Order: sequence, then structure tokens, then C-alpha cells
Amino acid sequence: DAKTTQPPSMDCAEGRAANLPCNHSTISGNEYVYWYRQIHSQGPQYIIHGLKNNETNEMASLIITEDRKSSTLILPHATLRDTAVYYCIVSAGGTSYGKLTFGQGTILTVHP
Amino acid sequence: DGGITQSPKYLFRKEGQNVTLSCEQNLNHDAMYWYRQDPGQGLRLIYYSQIVNDFQKGDIAEGYSVSREKKESFPLTVTSAQKNPTAFYLCASSILGRDYGYTFGSGTRLTVV
Repeated sequence: DAKTTQPPSMDCAEGRAANLPCNHSTISGNEYVYWYRQIHSQGPQYIIHGLKNNETNEMASLIITEDRKSSTLILPHATLRDTAVYYCIVSAGGTSYGKLTFGQGTILTVHP
Repeated sequence: DGGITQSPKYLFRKEGQNVTLSCEQNLNHDAMYWYRQDPGQGLRLIYYSQIVNDFQKGDIAEGYSVSREKKESFPLTVTSAQKNPTAFYLCASSILGRDYGYTFGSGTRLTVV
């Protein structure tokens, strides 16, 4: 699986959009970009994933650059409960056989 | 609601003892996984199973064993051979062959005393 690079920490004001960047310059053509988050002492929670098109769901939006070398996770209206570690992962989806390479992630702190 | 249940949430073990961590899912997922997470680190794959009665070693299988007798259940045994078992253990499941995300349990924190 390709490696990803994320900033170690970010801050965001409650109610504002949180934009979390991720670089994945060595991503392969069959690899998806996944985002998970982990609140302290809990299991990771799936947020969103995409291949090359932008995606949106009830939790977030995912913007993938045209060359697929980077992406941004957008939480449109951050709340205090969005404070967590956010992981960007590239993986071959259903054929990854558990090979989810979770790096250090970005610690997002949402403050009042 | 469908999901993954891990039990117990906290577990204490004496050195030299085997201990089994439970993982049950009612999502009808084919594949199940065990990960280990150490403080400040990412997840490392211990074992995974794609179908009943079949499982494969992950990156750090030494000192661990698993079974998959039922689709819903994938217990992990931490044996006395595991030299540094104190960690946060996470179970996950997924639909095999599809590009959906993984569903994780809430984890078991194992401490060797």
C-alpha cells in the first residue's frame, strides 16, 4: 500500500469547516483513498472513501486532486465531538486483505 | 443495530497465562481482522480471516492464535509466547472483495501484570 503524509496536528473553531490534507504521491491506479477517525480509546470509525471523483456523505466531503497525489477531507461544520485522530489511508479496497496502513494521522482539536 | 462487539473492554493477565479476546459481528461480513495498537502508533495486523475455518497470518502473528468456527465469531488468543502483550486490541470486519470501509469494534485493552 502507498504511504501517506499528514500534518501531525490541526486546530479548528467550532462551527467552522475543518480541512484536513493528505499527500499520497505514490498511489497506484487501483488504490482508493480512505479516511477514518479514532476518538481516544475507541475503535477507528470509517468516514469516507473515493477513487478519483469527489465524494460526499452525511459526515464529510472528500476532494481528490486530478493527479490523485493528494486529497482533502472536509468536515463542513466541525463540532467538539469531531475532536479525534484522523487517518488517511490508501488501499486496494476489497482486495487489501486487512492491509490498512494506519500512520500517525492528524490530531484535530475543535475548540469552542 | 448491526455492529461488532468486543469483550471484555479491559483485561488483566498475569505473565505466563494465555488469554482469549472475544469478537462477534452481526453484519454478515465475510472477512474479519485483528489489529494491535500501541500508544502513539498506528494499527498492526495480527491475523485475518476471509471465510469460516480459514485464516492467514498478518504482520505480527507470533505469540497469537485465532479460530473461525462461525462466520460471526473470530476470537483471538494471546499466548504466553507473546513477549510484549500489553496493548489495545481491535477487531474489524469487512465485505470481502468490495471497496467499502472496515467496521471496527470498540477494542479490548490488555494489561499484563
